[in-house]
Amino acid sequence: QKEVEQDPGPLSVPEGAIVSLNCTYSNSAFQYFMWYRQYSRKGPELLMYTYSSGNKEDGRFTAQVDKSSKYISLFIRDSQPSDSATYLCAMSAIRGYQKVTFGTGTKLQVIP
Amino acid sequence: DAGITQSPRYKITETGRQVTLMCHQTWSHSYMFWYRQDLGHGLRLIYYSAAADITDKGEVPDGYVVSRSKTENFPLTLESATRSQTSVYFCASQRDTQYFGPGTRLTVL
Repeated sequence: QKEVEQDPGPLSVPEGAIVSLNCTYSNSAFQYFMWYRQYSRKGPELLMYTYSSGNKEDGRFTAQVDKSSKYISLFIRDSQPSDSATYLCAMSAIRGYQKVTFGTGTKLQVIP
Repeated sequence: DAGITQSPRYKITETGRQVTLMCHQTWSHSYMFWYRQDLGHGLRLIYYSAAADITDKGEVPDGYVVSRSKTENFPLTLESATRSQTSVYFCASQRDTQYFGPGTRLTVL
């Protein structure tokens, strides 16, 4: 079993929809949680970075961490065609990027 | 332009050949990383470097060699390429967050 599980999709939604992307994990030591967005043929870019449990909001994006359930989510409100990309979750037990475990990514398509 | 660049962007080689992938960043970030991205596996760390002349293994280092004589450059060498090393390779540098390069798509025949 992988440490981090992520549904690969693809997930297709109409423009304006609320999108929910999720990851589950098995390592209870994970404390730092990240979401990356990766456009086709590009490198990943960091969207959200959260520590421990709770919610964090940034514009149309909300990251949610439930450590008791070992479950993290990324919500995108008012989705736009420009949100079409692959979204990678990532997590780490320590601060820093030397020991980050990535999910395999969920491909999202927002249809105009 | 400031940023992180990788070269070549695409490379086809044969098994047994030596291949070097280049990574250059203009920010003078101390930390640099090499990842490979494969379907079904996500991003996996190959090597990282905390500063010039300081490197360390990541999750999947076998078959790869790195060096870092200058802060801005972090080349990755496949000493004897194998088909299992066919992948997309990403370099990244870090200040507060990681910044990824555009990737090198490597095919080993």
